[in-house]
Amino acid sequence: EVQLLESGGGLVQPGGSLRLSCAASGFTFSSYAMSWVRQAPGKGLEWVSAVNNNGGSAFYADSVKGRFTISRDNSKNTLYLQMNSLRAEDTAVYYCAKTFGGSGYSYGDYWGQGTLVTVSS
Amino acid sequence: DIQMTQSPSSVSASVGDRVTITCRASQGINSWLAWYQQKPGKAPNLLIYTASSLQSGAPSRFSGFRSGTDFTLTISSLQPEDFATYYCQQGNSFPLTFGGGTKVEIK
Repeated sequence: EVQLLESGGGLVQPGGSLRLSCAASGFTFSSYAMSWVRQAPGKGLEWVSAVNNNGGSAFYADSVKGRFTISRDNSKNTLYLQMNSLRAEDTAVYYCAKTFGGSGYSYGDYWGQGTLVTVSS
Repeated sequence: DIQMTQSPSSVSASVGDRVTITCRASQGINSWLAWYQQKPGKAPNLLIYTASSLQSGAPSRFSGFRSGTDFTLTISSLQPEDFATYYCQQGNSFPLTFGGGTKVEIK
């Protein structure tokens, strides 16, 4: 059974940093691209970042480019999102998703339960 | 960036009704489109990918169709568990983008 378990969310002040983790199990983690998607309270879904299966290629939404860094450790079956210079508008539930299709990033077929990040003073 | 315009933003329907949701891409995305269902407090759940392929485990009452840059999700006979918010998402190019969502409510 595929499982994705996010952790690392919490309350952080504007300008602060946070690192999210997503522990994967039930599939060959090193064979799949992975993504982060977020959802602000009461709002729709927003794609944040994606990384290919070996970590060699990463992609970002313009809204987080230069502030967030996606990475993965295939030996630990874990995906990360380092978030720096956080802003109030980064407040959201952050989901990790296993991706497939097209270039490998197109769709999320399994999602974690999400972790809430709140940026506030 | 590719914009995904989803309509309607909400729809009221009864159990047994046929419901259709539309998504229009601002430029060509071939068939790289997915549909997700999301219930309150839960993660999105993939229903349809590549415009018309039914995800394993998704009920057969869900179907997808493509006509050029217009895409539709149809629920053939609405069931109580289908009341939720539905999102389209293009997977053709970065940045990946979602539609604004359609909330299916009980009439």
